Amino acid sequence: QLQMQESGPGLVKASETLSLTCAVSGGSISSTSYYWGWFRQPPGKGLAWIGSINYSGNTYYTPSLKSRVTISIDASKNQFSLKLTSVTAADTAVYYCAKSSRYDFWGLIDYWGQGTLVTVSS
Amino acid sequence: QSALTQPASVSGSPGQSITISCTGTSSDVGTYNYVSWYQHHPRKAPKLMIYDVSTRPSGVSNRFSGSKSGNTASLTISGLQAEDEADYYCSSYTSSSTLVFGGGTKLTVL
Repeated sequence: QLQMQESGPGLVKASETLSLTCAVSGGSISSTSYYWGWFRQPPGKGLAWIGSINYSGNTYYTPSLKSRVTISIDASKNQFSLKLTSVTAADTAVYYCAKSSRYDFWGLIDYWGQGTLVTVSS
Repeated sequence: QSALTQPASVSGSPGQSITISCTGTSSDVGTYNYVSWYQHHPRKAPKLMIYDVSTRPSGVSNRFSGSKSGNTASLTISGLQAEDEADYYCSSYTSSSTLVFGGGTKLTVL
């Protein structure tokens, strides 16, 4: 059974870089067929897509964050990462990693991590 | 890109049926059959309930069904049960090669 676990600092200072890692177990991140994505949910708000990547390095990002976001894969560690630069209080959220068990990044997103809360402090 | 529009809340009694709407535009819901629905209990991982408008993943109860008409997709839950109480989100692929979510609907089982 595939499992995904987010990790990283729970507190980040404003203007600095938020870095999170999603460790994948029970399956290989090296399959070129699947997309691996990051999502977030600010307090009291809804889910939002941040971006997705596949093993071939094809990446897609939400337009509003594209200039600040980088998603990458480390196949040797079976994990993928999120970096978000120049954070502000608006980036405070629970961050989730997830997998799409299909050739695209928008459908069949059937495995999710439990989420990790990141708070941006001023 | 604008978020998809969902009602903030819906409610129903056990055994009843409810429908949650998700309205987009011709740039997303109206053009692509790539609407998904997620169930989200607080402090838990979201769970995929429907993808590609009306397909249920393995293990999801057949009490959950999805449909689409024009720019509006719908999730129907029949035979409402207490454990169905959660937040529900729709999502859609867009013509900009992005993924957009709805604002979420809180389902209360009375």
